[in-house]
Amino acid sequence: RKEVEQDPGPFNVPEGATVAFNCTYSNSASQSFFWYRQDCRKEPKLLMSVYSSGNEDGRFTAQLNRASQYISLLIRDSKLSDSATYLCVVTEGGSYIPTFGRGTSLIVHP
Amino acid sequence: GAGVSQSPSNKVTEKGKDVELRCDPISGHTALYWYRQSLGQGLEFLIYFQGNSAPDKSGLPSDRFSAERTGGSVSTLTIQRTQQEDSAVYLCASSSSTGAGNTIYFGEGSWLTVV
Repeated sequence: RKEVEQDPGPFNVPEGATVAFNCTYSNSASQSFFWYRQDCRKEPKLLMSVYSSGNEDGRFTAQLNRASQYISLLIRDSKLSDSATYLCVVTEGGSYIPTFGRGTSLIVHP
Repeated sequence: GAGVSQSPSNKVTEKGKDVELRCDPISGHTALYWYRQSLGQGLEFLIYFQGNSAPDKSGLPSDRFSAERTGGSVSTLTIQRTQQEDSAVYLCASSSSTGAGNTIYFGEGSWLTVV
């Protein structure tokens, strides 16, 4: 199974800041892309899907760059409650098994 | 509606004992996954079930690990002769189908500690 790479961080930012994470994947045939959020000692939960055209959900924007094989997550106007680990998830074409990155830790401080 | 349900929530067992972990997926979901996450680590795929098809066992770390899914619904992950390195949270997830782009939903996990 191919790799999904993320910078583990932590990214330490003040409230109100804008922060961006990238995730690279190695299989150019990958088809499905997601960002999940995982709070400490909790299960991962879907944050948003990532579409080829990019998508936005409130303060969160996800983008896919197939040519360079990476996806990104942008968080604007960071809140204390955004503190969590953000997991990049990629499913290869022809596979039914999502591969999870190890996650990027975000800490938003007052 | 009910989400993915896992039991037990926590399990402490002695090295060498067998353990069984149970997963009840979201009703109607045909795809079921088991992942493992050790402390501070990423999610490690273990096994995947889809309907009545043969499971994909490619992630099972050793022959001490096995899983079954009865009636296309409830799944049991069994770890025989547990070792300390088996200590982790075992996460079950389900999905409505296996088409590209389908979201998987996780249970709260079974926290296993082998002493």
